[in-house]
Amino acid sequence: KQEVTQIPAALSVPEGENLVLNCSFTDSAIYNLQWFRQDPGKGLTSLLLIQSSQREQTSGRLNASLDKSSGRSTLYIAASQPGDSATYLCAVKGGLNTNAGKSTFGDGTTLTVKP
Amino acid sequence: DGGITQSPKYLFRKEGQNVTLSCEQNLNHDAMYWYRQDPGQGLRLIYYSQIVNDFQKGDIAEGYSVSREKKESFPLTVTSAQKNPTAFYLCASSIEGQGIYGYTFGSGTRLTVV
Repeated sequence: KQEVTQIPAALSVPEGENLVLNCSFTDSAIYNLQWFRQDPGKGLTSLLLIQSSQREQTSGRLNASLDKSSGRSTLYIAASQPGDSATYLCAVKGGLNTNAGKSTFGDGTTLTVKP
Repeated sequence: DGGITQSPKYLFRKEGQNVTLSCEQNLNHDAMYWYRQDPGQGLRLIYYSQIVNDFQKGDIAEGYSVSREKKESFPLTVTSAQKNPTAFYLCASSIEGQGIYGYTFGSGTRLTVV
């Protein structure tokens, strides 16, 4: 069964700092990995989707990497801003003994960017 | 604009009542999903549907029921058999249920037992 872990559970940084959020998964036979942002009491907003054949995706100040062989993904946020404060979740689609249509979610990393 | 609409945003349920959460999408997606989110925990899959008139149980289906009579709609009923229904419920869709496509989420429904 696929398991997804996000460390740390919470992170606080000063404004302007570059930071990395981590996501690890136990089964490398995945279809894709997706990073989401969730604001308190809101739904999930998709940030980046990396296919299993890709190594990274970029959108603005965000860069996500994928290393299937080691079961790891990172989300890099450049020049952080207070508006980046939110919970960031990663979701892995597929894996051995996991239906290809299902994603497994990590518990998230709650980021606070202080002005 | 295309998207997923969940309603209501807040829902209160009395003990022993069944309640239905609405999820509608105009993205022409084949696959739809219901997740439950509890504080400090990740999302757990309740039910999913990869095509109209077909759906499968997820990891925590007990006490819930769904239907998929139309491509656009995937309502979730929380029955009285669900002993701890207070949670945040999220509906999602994907172009199809297999392979390479990612998820689009609705804004969620917060259900509280009173």
